[in-house]
Amino acid sequence: GENVEQHPSTLSVQEGDSAVIKCTYSDSASNYFPWYKQELGKRPQLIIDIRSNVGEKKDQRIAVTLNKTAKHFSLHITETQPEDSAVYFCAAKTNDYKLSFGAGTTVTVRA
Amino acid sequence: EAGVTQSPTHLIKTRGQQATLRCSPISGHTSVYWYQQALGLGLQFLLWYDEGEERNRGNFPPRFSGRQFPNYSSELNVNALELEDSALYLCASRPRGLVGTGELFFGEGSRLTVL
Repeated sequence: GENVEQHPSTLSVQEGDSAVIKCTYSDSASNYFPWYKQELGKRPQLIIDIRSNVGEKKDQRIAVTLNKTAKHFSLHITETQPEDSAVYFCAAKTNDYKLSFGAGTTVTVRA
Repeated sequence: EAGVTQSPTHLIKTRGQQATLRCSPISGHTSVYWYQQALGLGLQFLLWYDEGEERNRGNFPPRFSGRQFPNYSSELNVNALELEDSALYLCASRPRGLVGTGELFFGEGSRLTVL
């Protein structure tokens, strides 16, 4: 089955700085890579996703890059704000529709 | 439109007992997924139901089971509870087939505590 590894497990950044989270996956058949944000006590919610036929996608302050050859993808958050503090999960999906998640990254934005 | 709803929000059981958790997907969604979120372990895939059938299960023992009803709601049963079953159990739903982005819509979760 798919195995997704996520690093780092915790990340502390100064407000206004950038945050980068990296994930690797094992199944070359994976074709969909979403990122979910989970605020404390809340449900995970999709913030951005990328498909295997695209190398990069951007939505305002967040962007995701995908390297299919190396089987890794990354989340970039620029100009971080206090409301970006949360746990972020990467995931990978194969054609069997099972979504495998990374272990999560706890991001803390220091004011 | 109502989101994914789960019940109960909190459940306290003792070792050896059984727990039943329930999930109602978003209207029109036919696939239901169950994930276990234990502290520090991220989201571990448990079960996937689609059109009433179990389509896939994660690396969990058989005492974790479930079903999906004709109205697409779902139930997760955990038998012979162990202390390490204490976790937040998240249900998520997805539209039928390839409709949509593939995004999963999560409920708020049911927190199970085993004493």
